[in-house]
Amino acid sequence: SQTIHQWPATLVQPVGSPLSLECTVEGTSNPNLYWYRQAAGRGLQLLFYSVGIGQISSEVPQNLSASRPQDRQFILSSKKLLLSDSGFYLCAWSKENTEAFFGQGTRLTVV
Amino acid sequence: GESVGLHLPTLSVQEGDNSIINCAYSNSASDYFIWYKQESGKGPQFIIDIRSNMDKRQGQRVTVLLNKTVKHLSLQIAATQPGDSAVYFCAENLESNFGNEKLTFGTGTRLTIIP
Repeated sequence: SQTIHQWPATLVQPVGSPLSLECTVEGTSNPNLYWYRQAAGRGLQLLFYSVGIGQISSEVPQNLSASRPQDRQFILSSKKLLLSDSGFYLCAWSKENTEAFFGQGTRLTVV
Repeated sequence: GESVGLHLPTLSVQEGDNSIINCAYSNSASDYFIWYKQESGKGPQFIIDIRSNMDKRQGQRVTVLLNKTVKHLSLQIAATQPGDSAVYFCAENLESNFGNEKLTFGTGTRLTIIP
């Protein structure tokens, strides 16, 4: 069966520090991978979308970047965090035209 | 899009009653729709899906209705229980920059079941 792992679960980082959130998927190959952000009490904003290694689409202008060094690994990064980067970050995977499966999320607080 | 910055609409329903959550989607070319449930502090979980060649699909206590004419999707939950309290999101597949499809979410609705 397929599983998705996302870590860490919570993270407190100072303004200006770097960020690296990792997401890995098991039990499937060539998945579509997503990074979403959710502010408290808000909806899900799609940040990045990837259909394969090196194929990443940035959906909104922001202080973040994404990389896919391996087929089932998706990394969200920042060189210098801003206060506005605080939020709940969710990784997800899907196959073409099917439902997406989500990780448990990372709650990031930038202080 | 812009809706992700807005506070979630809320719906309160008495336990045992039926609830209906509505969603308007953006793209008439979308052919696949999903409803997700998100409990506090957790990732969204799949509830039910429907493809554009159908108008209705039923699951256990849930029914999804699709009206392609007005680009409207609804989720009906029968005989609501306290465990149904959560935020519900609709999602549609939109064409991505790569030519295939990506999953895009609506605003979401916070459902509260009153005991």
